[in-house]
Amino acid sequence: GESVGLHLPTLSVQEGDNSIINCAYSNSASDYFIWYKQESGKGPQFIIDIRSNMDKRQGQRVTVLLNKTVKHLSLQIAATQPGDSAVYFCAESGSGNTGKLIFGQGTTLQVKP
Amino acid sequence: GAGVSQSPRYKVAKRGQDVALRCDPISGHVSLFWYQQALGQGPEFLTYFQNEAQLDKSGLPSDRFFAERPEGSVSTLKIQRTQQEDSAVYLCASSARTGGDSYGYTFGSGTRLTVV
Repeated sequence: GESVGLHLPTLSVQEGDNSIINCAYSNSASDYFIWYKQESGKGPQFIIDIRSNMDKRQGQRVTVLLNKTVKHLSLQIAATQPGDSAVYFCAESGSGNTGKLIFGQGTTLQVKP
Repeated sequence: GAGVSQSPRYKVAKRGQDVALRCDPISGHVSLFWYQQALGQGPEFLTYFQNEAQLDKSGLPSDRFFAERPEGSVSTLKIQRTQQEDSAVYLCASSARTGGDSYGYTFGSGTRLTVV
């Protein structure tokens, strides 16, 4: 997602609904993409990743979709739970494949019980 | 340990003071990364170690920032003559793999530095 200044975009969903969080990445040479979840006061926690030779990857309750044509990444969370409330960051490898990650601005997910 | 441990959790420094932030990676992890996260922003890469070698320091914002990992395990990020713009959470991450295979690394909870 995009943000202006310090205001992260926010997605508010009802418990049990599906969530879709979007991200536009910048470098067409990026080979690797990842989603992290960050709860208040904690470090980012790995959710799911995908390489550029794939366009979809599924995990437990989560799916990542990659559209290289428009440089777009999305995270789908099925049956969203209150414990899913957090800030979600997408990140890309950039050119070089060195281990360095370039993070996006983040999206806040709020789950209403 | 079971995870990446960082200390202190919180640090308040007066402008101009030097600070040292410590990272204990997961035991045996060869790759270690430092990131800086300003309030409301995503983490930004600072530097990368493979064992004791600092292979990438392209993200260090100025020569006031210095990182070391002398024995290939614990790492210290030092900031000299702190300034208000240094206020941020400093995150450390480690991985058992190297370079482009190290993605998906494990982050610590960070050190929140406030410069007053």
